[in-house]
Amino acid sequence: AQTVTQSQPEMSVQEAETVTLSCTYDTSENNYYLFWYKQPPSRQMILVIRQEAYKQQNATENRFSVNFQKAAKSFSLKISDSQLGDTAMYFCAFMKRGSGGGADGLTFGKGTHLIIQP
Amino acid sequence: GAGVSQSPRYKVAKRGQDVALRCDPISGHVSLFWYQQALGQGPEFLTYFQNEAQLDKSGLPSDRFFAERPEGSVSTLKIQRTQQEDSAVYLCASGYTGVGEKLFFGSGTQLSVL
Repeated sequence: AQTVTQSQPEMSVQEAETVTLSCTYDTSENNYYLFWYKQPPSRQMILVIRQEAYKQQNATENRFSVNFQKAAKSFSLKISDSQLGDTAMYFCAFMKRGSGGGADGLTFGKGTHLIIQP
Repeated sequence: GAGVSQSPRYKVAKRGQDVALRCDPISGHVSLFWYQQALGQGPEFLTYFQNEAQLDKSGLPSDRFFAERPEGSVSTLKIQRTQQEDSAVYLCASGYTGVGEKLFFGSGTQLSVL
């Protein structure tokens, strides 16, 4: 079974600053995906960024980028030029590649509450 | 529809009541997942459908929980004889394929059992 650990329950930064959210995971699998999801107060989980474990290049999506360290099983999210709308819960998640779904599907961490201060 | 739709958005039940939560996935999506999210926690897997087939129900916490997707589209999660520990947000997600690589989530149903 996989586990995902987010060690920062809450973080707060000023608008326009850069913030990094940490995530570590434990798995014996070699092929997998890692995700960061954003959950605003509306409760809808929104995919922020996805990383395929076999790709060495770190994924980027506009202001969002990851630092994927496969050997260390670390997958941090960096948000540049943070905006008030980035305030939300952020969840790191793991999924085995080629998963048939079900319990082999997404495994989530407990989340980090990110607050962007004006 | 444009996205995954869940209803009701909020549900208050007295302990012992039965509840039914509905999920309307994106049209044409093969896979459908139900997750339970307790307060302050990440979502936890409950059950998975590929079309109308329930392929995995290993996450259902007890036999009071039942899910169905009879025509391979709309799904219903039913909880019988609700208990306080069932209070949580129930999220539904759907995906294009049976693999579940890219999931689209609904806004969930917040269930409060008094």
